[in-house]
Amino acid sequence: EAGVVQSPRYKIIEKKQPVAFWCNPISGHNTLYWYLQNLGQGPELLIRYENEEAVDDSQLPKDRFSAERLKGVDSTLKIQPAELGDSAVYLCASSFATGTSGDTQYFGPGTRLTVL
Amino acid sequence: GENVEQHPSTLSVQEGDSAVIKCTYSDSASNYFPWYKQELGKGPQLIIDIRSNVGEKKDQRIAVTLNKTAKHFSLHITETQPEDSAVYFCAAHAGGTSYGKLTFGQGTILTVHP
Repeated sequence: EAGVVQSPRYKIIEKKQPVAFWCNPISGHNTLYWYLQNLGQGPELLIRYENEEAVDDSQLPKDRFSAERLKGVDSTLKIQPAELGDSAVYLCASSFATGTSGDTQYFGPGTRLTVL
Repeated sequence: GENVEQHPSTLSVQEGDSAVIKCTYSDSASNYFPWYKQELGKGPQLIIDIRSNVGEKKDQRIAVTLNKTAKHFSLHITETQPEDSAVYFCAAHAGGTSYGKLTFGQGTILTVHP
């Protein structure tokens, strides 16, 4: 079974440029998460989707970040414009929501963003 | 919101020794506690998890214990091997209005020396 797929794996851009990350979750997983991981720290949730609905985007900096999951499968996270402080690893995860306490989240390899 | 503290930040052991990593959480409503292993350049990989209705869970060389009263949980790795070297993260899931949100600890860099 294929895991969570993310692309690109690495991205280097100049500050003020736009950038987009793509994620394809595990087949059948209806919940998708985007996390930010700064160097030496644990992942922090940016946004969570249940199917195509963003049910928790409280940690997403909406002035420059946006995300979509139009058909409830793959998702795109965008930053426009990028700032130096956005350099980090952007992780995507997915889970099959069972409605019970805590659903196992499976992570992709991440996209390492460097903003110059 | 939930706050998870993880210790130690670095841990160095000899091959064959045991390793213990400890985490505390703040929200008594938290009910699910996964542990992830992250190797360089890869995403976190789930290695074991425990739910609040269980006190201990074991999977081969890995075990996790949970003390709900004290709000702490621990990862135990026995007979460590060099391939266990990685960064380990604990996490807590609060449930309720925060359903689906995992709060992670700061990570422990485990080094197993041959």
